[in-house]
Amino acid sequence: DSGVTQTPKHLITATGQRVTLRCSPRSGDLSVYWYQQSLDQGLQFLIQYYNGEERAKGNILERFSAQQFPDLHSELNLSSLELGDSALYFCASSVAGDHRNSPLHFGNGTRLTVT
Amino acid sequence: AQTVTQSQPEMSVQEAETVTLSCTYDTSENNYYLFWYKQPPSRQMILVIRQEAYKQQNATENRFSVNFQKAAKSFSLKISDSQLGDTAMYFCAFSVYTGNQFYFGTGTSLTVIP
Repeated sequence: DSGVTQTPKHLITATGQRVTLRCSPRSGDLSVYWYQQSLDQGLQFLIQYYNGEERAKGNILERFSAQQFPDLHSELNLSSLELGDSALYFCASSVAGDHRNSPLHFGNGTRLTVT
Repeated sequence: AQTVTQSQPEMSVQEAETVTLSCTYDTSENNYYLFWYKQPPSRQMILVIRQEAYKQQNATENRFSVNFQKAAKSFSLKISDSQLGDTAMYFCAFSVYTGNQFYFGTGTSLTVIP
């Protein structure tokens, strides 16, 4: 158990809808990262938050947004969903904003299916 | 730009044998960490092993070891005495001290054959 909790585990929704994915980092971890993994693809970095502030942004679509709350949990909001957004969305956390001896610890992912 | 390349999309190994997965990376940074993550069919991402770039000694974790060649920017993973539970996708990754991103390779799908 990595200590990172993601909810829900599975989500099925229709095109055009909006969903929110939730992540609780490991106790003590200040950084939260979001990754998208499409079928048989690698991990695509979306965005990172550190202690409530956006720290780095990757290939995140404008239809997607995220935030990290004072209790350090994070939410990833996906709107105007398209079929191509179907993927496994991972949250990962680490202790620091940089990576000194601080690997990523991954949650079990949220499987999003857009129909 | 930071890049990670895994040139072996798929590999297979007989149970109890040894297999080596390749990874090369490109960075102009001098201080960084390297990682191997395992993703079994359950899709969970599990940290297998990590290596600090400033350490010359190769990291070892039980049956898993790395061959880190800093000058060649190579970071291969050796799995000894392969077990059926080692069947998974393996991702090589690295991060720089001064950055905020982890850079992942595209993965190598390893199948352990009984």
